[in-house]
Amino acid sequence: GAVVSQHPSWVICKSGTSVKIECRSLDFQATTMFWYRQFPKQSLMLMATSNEGSKATYEQGVEKDKFLINHASLTLSTLTVTSAHPEDSSFYICSARDGDLFRGNQPQHFGDGTRLSIL
Amino acid sequence: AQSVTQLDSQVPVFEEAPVELRCNYSSSVSVYLFWYVQYPNQGLQLLLKYLSGSTLVKGINGFEAEFNKSQTSFHLRKPSVHISDTAEYFCAVSEGAQKLVFGQGTRLTINP
Repeated sequence: GAVVSQHPSWVICKSGTSVKIECRSLDFQATTMFWYRQFPKQSLMLMATSNEGSKATYEQGVEKDKFLINHASLTLSTLTVTSAHPEDSSFYICSARDGDLFRGNQPQHFGDGTRLSIL
Repeated sequence: AQSVTQLDSQVPVFEEAPVELRCNYSSSVSVYLFWYVQYPNQGLQLLLKYLSGSTLVKGINGFEAEFNKSQTSFHLRKPSVHISDTAEYFCAVSEGAQKLVFGQGTRLTINP
């Protein structure tokens, strides 16, 4: 149980294009999903918290207009990297928490990540 | 504010030997603690979690961790490792809010 599917797993595109990454909870409903960025050989950096039916909460230093997040249903959140440039190349990982919004003791379940390469 | 320190960035171990990956945290309130494993080009998989109760927590793949409140530690152990345990391991803490704060990660390399 508690499977999170992330798609696509690998994207290569030209500079200036926009890329959409999907994160789905397959067997549970996720009121809250999280988007992380991971640089090579480093830890995960939380970019934003995605809340179903409301605006995402972005971490300090993350550009809202660059990284658009939409959480339209209890099983789907999307991250769109707009006008992507080579510095946006990274490994992006989503996660979802199975359970009540305010219960921090529920573990997060992670997708397999998306490797984004901007040429 | 919470923080997590994983004291070793890399740990090389021979196959079938025991291993301990160290994790210390700082927080002013009660916390929930987690260990995750990341295989190459994949997301994170939950190994185990400490929420309350017994300080010795058993997880998947033969791993266990012990919560030590006085030393603010949550070290991960396995009595006998296998080649397949080669991966990156992350310790994380949650203070009851939604966010997880991750440590820097420890790369465990198993040598034959």
